[in-house]
Order: sequence, then structure tokens, then C-alpha cells
Amino acid sequence: AQSVTQLDSHVSVSEGTPVLLRCNYSSSYSPSLFWYVQHPNKGLQLLLKYTSAATLVKGINGFEAEFKKSETSFHLTKPSAHMSDAAEYFCVVSEGPGNQFYFGTGTSLTVIP
Amino acid sequence: DAGVTQSPTHLIKTRGQQVTLRCSPKSGHDTVSWYQQALGQGPQFIFQYYEEEERQRGNFPDRFSGHQFPNYSSELNVNALLLGDSALYLCASSFTLNEQYFGPGTRLTVT
Repeated sequence: AQSVTQLDSHVSVSEGTPVLLRCNYSSSYSPSLFWYVQHPNKGLQLLLKYTSAATLVKGINGFEAEFKKSETSFHLTKPSAHMSDAAEYFCVVSEGPGNQFYFGTGTSLTVIP
Repeated sequence: DAGVTQSPTHLIKTRGQQVTLRCSPKSGHDTVSWYQQALGQGPQFIFQYYEEEERQRGNFPDRFSGHQFPNYSSELNVNALLLGDSALYLCASSFTLNEQYFGPGTRLTVT
């Protein structure tokens, strides 16, 4: 069975401080993992993906995520938040013959000036 | 490259009516997936089309049906609309098992 749990529904940080968005997953296979961002009234944009290569994945806009199999986690981080980072973030696990995506419930990131 | 496009952007329908949403995949992509995103929720997988056939289906009733055309574009049809069908409908395209690219979505409101 596969599932994704985003541990925080809302995260608030000050501009210039680090961002940590937490994600745990369960999967019956060796999954692919993704983080997507959704700005208001916009579609989903891929931030980064893990597909069984390097466990530390670098994405766009300074975001990174580390795959930890022993902890079944795939947390998203950024060293310094920018106002433009305010958005909804989704952790996604993908598995199965059709590469079906399973989304978490999302984390809303607020950046305080 | 235009990316994934969807039409219409917004739609208002009445309970019991039928609706058709359209999606054009990113150039070079052969697989189209459809998702329903209710307000404040993560997207839920409806179904996926590959080679003009439904390859996988999520936990949605038969009122939800789809089609993929030879040019890889796709339609999502919903019959007998319910108030609970109000949501953002997202289309995503991919090439084989690679990452999915999402369109901007169609906002469906059922009154």
C-alpha cells in the first residue's frame, strides 16, 4: 500500500530563514518521490524528484530534499526563504505500472517579511 | 513548447448536467492523467490514458469517463453532476514513466 503524510498543514517562516517541510511515505515498491508547488490559481510545478539515484536531490529555486529510506522520509528544505516561496507544497509518491501519483494533503507555506 | 493546456478555464454547471473537459499534452508526451482537487485538498487520481486506452483508474464512480485521441489529447466527461463534483480538475502529461507535467486546471462549479 502506498500513502503520503505531510506532517504540517501550515508552516510560517520569516524571510531569510530556513524552510523545512516534512513528508513521510509508505510504499510497497521502490518509489519515485516528488515535490510540487502550487501558487494561487496556478497549476502544479515540479520542484524536484527522487528516482533511486542520489539520496540528496537538488531542485529549482534553491530547494533540496533528502531521501531517507530508514525513516521513510523525504523532507523538503531551503536555506533561506523568499517572499515568492509562499505557496502550497505537495509531496508525491509514484509507483506501479502506470506511474500513478499519490499526493499528500499539502503544506501551506507563509513567508513573513 | 506550450506545455499542458486545458479548456475551459472555468465552468459553471447545474446538478444533473453533463460536462466535458479537454486537455492537450506537452509535446512529445503520450500519457495523460486526470486529477480532481477539491478545495483545500491534494489532487486525487481519477484515471490515466495511454495508447487511447484507460490504463489505470482511481476510486471514482463510472460517472467519470474519459477518452484519448490519436494525437494524445484527452477528454474527461462527468455525467449526472453532483454538488460534490465542484473542484479543480487537473490534467497531467508524461512520456512513459517519467515525471508528470500539470496543466493550469479547469475550475468546475456545480450549482
